[in-house]
Amino acid sequence: NAGVMQNPRHLVRRRGQEARLRCSPVKGHSHVYWYRQLPEEGLKFMVYLQKENIIDESGMPKERFSAEFPKEGPSILRIQQVVRGDSAAYFCASQRGEGETQYFGPGTRLLVL
Amino acid sequence: QKEVEQNSGPLSVPEGAIASLNCTYSDRVSQSFFWYRQYSGKSPELIMSIYSNGDKEDGRFTAQLNKASQYVSLLIRDSQPSDSATYLCAVNRSFGNEKLTFGTGTRLTIIP
Repeated sequence: NAGVMQNPRHLVRRRGQEARLRCSPVKGHSHVYWYRQLPEEGLKFMVYLQKENIIDESGMPKERFSAEFPKEGPSILRIQQVVRGDSAAYFCASQRGEGETQYFGPGTRLLVL
Repeated sequence: QKEVEQNSGPLSVPEGAIASLNCTYSDRVSQSFFWYRQYSGKSPELIMSIYSNGDKEDGRFTAQLNKASQYVSLLIRDSQPSDSATYLCAVNRSFGNEKLTFGTGTRLTIIP
């Protein structure tokens, strides 16, 4: 996983609660992508961030989902008022710069009860 | 039409044989092409990247790209049981925003 850290690795929430997923990219990497993998489906792009900027959020649901990548600290994917359909594996990938390889973190597996 | 299409499998190949995985994509402006391996419950791991027409070899793996046919393939020679995994084909359109569009993956099983 080339040093990308994600936590928690597993997260259980009840419907209506909030989920916060954290991604620490490889040291020196300033590009972060978030992807979601629903059961038995491929990975779907959600959002692309650089430090303090959202570059592309075309894959994010319009409501309840938000993402940030502050100047200091990890990137955060926040899901408010979770529903059962949010249950999935959420992966972040970090990239040093344009044209470079994306390295995936171990993922956070979210289960909504 | 899906942007990236793969046969879901499962594909079963005897140990030592060649495994052939195929992928087609719909967006002609796609620039970069990747094969990721994903073991069950794990994260995707980059196996090969290819950017220009032709073949690219790395050890037991060969990626082939044909932009005219919008077709990418991955060959695994001398297949090993440890190659049993789901293989994901991914493409991106351009530098500057390199979000990946993935196929649903092909599940490969190597039979000892």
